[in-house]
Amino acid sequence: AQSVTQLDSQVPVFEEAPVELRCNYSSSVSVYLFWYVQYPNQGLQLLLKYLSGSTLVKGINGFEAEFNKSQTSFHLRKPSVHISDTAEYFCAVSAYGGTSYGKLTFGQGTILTVHP
Amino acid sequence: NAGVMQNPRHLVRRRGQEARLRCSPMKGHSHVYWYRQLPEEGLKFMVYLQKENIIDESGMPKERFSAEFPKEGPSILRIQQVVRGDSAAYFCASSPGLAGSDTQYFGPGTRLTVL
Repeated sequence: AQSVTQLDSQVPVFEEAPVELRCNYSSSVSVYLFWYVQYPNQGLQLLLKYLSGSTLVKGINGFEAEFNKSQTSFHLRKPSVHISDTAEYFCAVSAYGGTSYGKLTFGQGTILTVHP
Repeated sequence: NAGVMQNPRHLVRRRGQEARLRCSPMKGHSHVYWYRQLPEEGLKFMVYLQKENIIDESGMPKERFSAEFPKEGPSILRIQQVVRGDSAAYFCASSPGLAGSDTQYFGPGTRLTVL
């Protein structure tokens, strides 16, 4: 089984400041890692995913994330945020192979609020 | 290429009534997942279906909940005799394959309110 912990439920930042949203996971098997964004009253949109290879993954809207296997972390970063980045962000994992198929296990979410 | 469609977007039911939630996957996708988002919580997996088959329903409550994905038409999540605790946002996602590496594309969700 897998579990995901997002360490901050809310992160307020000022526009143009850098931001890091933290995610740790636990799993007895290898996993793929994802970050999704949810704008108010909308579905989830994929920001980026880590499957293999380089541990630094670049996604849409200027976001990037780094996979750290030893710390079982997958933190999301953006060097300079915009007002439009205000949303809820979810970290998720899916198991590699086995009978878990593609089902995602999500963290509790982090609400990012960007202030002018 | 239209995205994942869900309807209705909002659904209000009284306790004891039935709720039917529909999901049309992206064109070419034959794998459908349902997730539930309770207030103040992340999304929780409910069920995974392929056309005419339930593959994994380990996250779905044993009673009152059922899901189907017929050969023709949308996937349906059905909740019988709804209770207040069923109030949540229900999201459907589709993917082109069943691998953990395949991206799941989410619909806008159905927000169910039970009075």
